[in-house]
Amino acid sequence: GAVVSQHPSRVICKSGTSVKIECRSLDFQATTMFWYRQFPKKSLMLMATSNEGSKATYEQGVEKDKFLINHASLTLSTLTVTSAHPEDSSFYICSANLEAGTDTQYFGPGTRLTVL
Amino acid sequence: GENVEQHPSTLSVQEGDSAVIKCTYSDSASNYFPWYKQELGKGPQLIIDIRSNVGEKKDQRIAVTLNKTAKHFSLHITETQPEDSAVYFCAAKTGTALIFGKGTTLSVSS
Repeated sequence: GAVVSQHPSRVICKSGTSVKIECRSLDFQATTMFWYRQFPKKSLMLMATSNEGSKATYEQGVEKDKFLINHASLTLSTLTVTSAHPEDSSFYICSANLEAGTDTQYFGPGTRLTVL
Repeated sequence: GENVEQHPSTLSVQEGDSAVIKCTYSDSASNYFPWYKQELGKGPQLIIDIRSNVGEKKDQRIAVTLNKTAKHFSLHITETQPEDSAVYFCAAKTGTALIFGKGTTLSVSS
């Protein structure tokens, strides 16, 4: 299947700092990428839909000023957690459609964020 | 909006037995239903999917069935193996977004 990578795989930061997570499609171009958040033993919650060259579409209840999403190229989307607090600690996962307009989403390996 | 219910939340089977996980959805406009397997600390892996114009799809030991009228779909795993142990998520696609069920923790004991 298609490969989606994320970096870093895990990060620990101090409260008040910002953290950037990268999501890359390795062998295909992704016009649309998605960012999810997952709490321990819980399901995936869609945070936002990231479209290359345009502003991200955020789900209700997700603070766009806190979770900054940039999709500057067809192979890279970034999620920046600004002024992180312990409640932002979570597993963040991105996904991408193999082809524009198709249904299939391939997920990255996830990034474990711990805010102290 | 779409709501996806998934049952059971946990499932324990003996190696070689079959496992069935069921999901229901609420939005009749949903037209794509994937199943993902997630191992601890990893991202979800697509294992099989089905579209609304198909009633059943099979890939080796894994099969998915869809009943559009009743708005439910199921994952069937035959001849289970210990490496099948993981959390399984169903999802339904409405618009561009995937809405996930709450997951089923499958444990296969040898």
